Amino acid sequence: RKEVEQDPGPFNVPEGATVAFNCTYSNSASQSFFWYRQDCRKEPKLLMSVYSSGNEDGRFTAQLNRASQYISLLIRDSKLSDSATYLCVVSPQAGTALIFGKGTTLSVSS
Amino acid sequence: NAGVTQTPKFRVLKTGQSMTLLCAQDMNHEYMYWYRQDPGMGLRLIHYSVGEGTTAKGEVPDGYNVSRLKKQNFLLGLESAAPSQTSVYFCASSYSWGDEQYFGPGTRLTVT
Repeated sequence: RKEVEQDPGPFNVPEGATVAFNCTYSNSASQSFFWYRQDCRKEPKLLMSVYSSGNEDGRFTAQLNRASQYISLLIRDSKLSDSATYLCVVSPQAGTALIFGKGTTLSVSS
Repeated sequence: NAGVTQTPKFRVLKTGQSMTLLCAQDMNHEYMYWYRQDPGMGLRLIHYSVGEGTTAKGEVPDGYNVSRLKKQNFLLGLESAAPSQTSVYFCASSYSWGDEQYFGPGTRLTVT
């Protein structure tokens, strides 16, 4: 099983739609979890950290399920500007580097 | 605050040529990283550094060398470029392991 797995997509949705991405991780000792966003031909940027209790930032909600070893990202009321690749990122254990998933591509159309 | 900067932004090399990519950060981060990103492969860690004067191998270190002589700078060298090293190279830095990483804008390298 790969360390961090994501459905590559692409997810093609109309404006205003709700879309959810899942990501699974293999190391049960993983400690930190993030979602990054990467626009075409740009660098990855932090979208949000994922906390055990779940967290919300405007239209974006991230959740962590430690028992099933997955994290999710929900985007409500999709905008054209949400079109990007979303990277799931996990810190497998203390003292090791972050592991980046290959990303899920979202395309929002009008 | 410039964050993380990379030089150059684009470069074309012939097979066998050498070059150095420069990464600089002004956030006083201890940890710095070099990644390459290829279509369908995601980000792969080449080398990293946990502080000035230290370097370590990542997932794909072959064909690359690095140096961290100053805390704010992390250099990536290609001694003899190969077409397989055609890629986008990203530098990143963080305060510590497991913390958010801040990325530079990337260097697009083509080796012909």
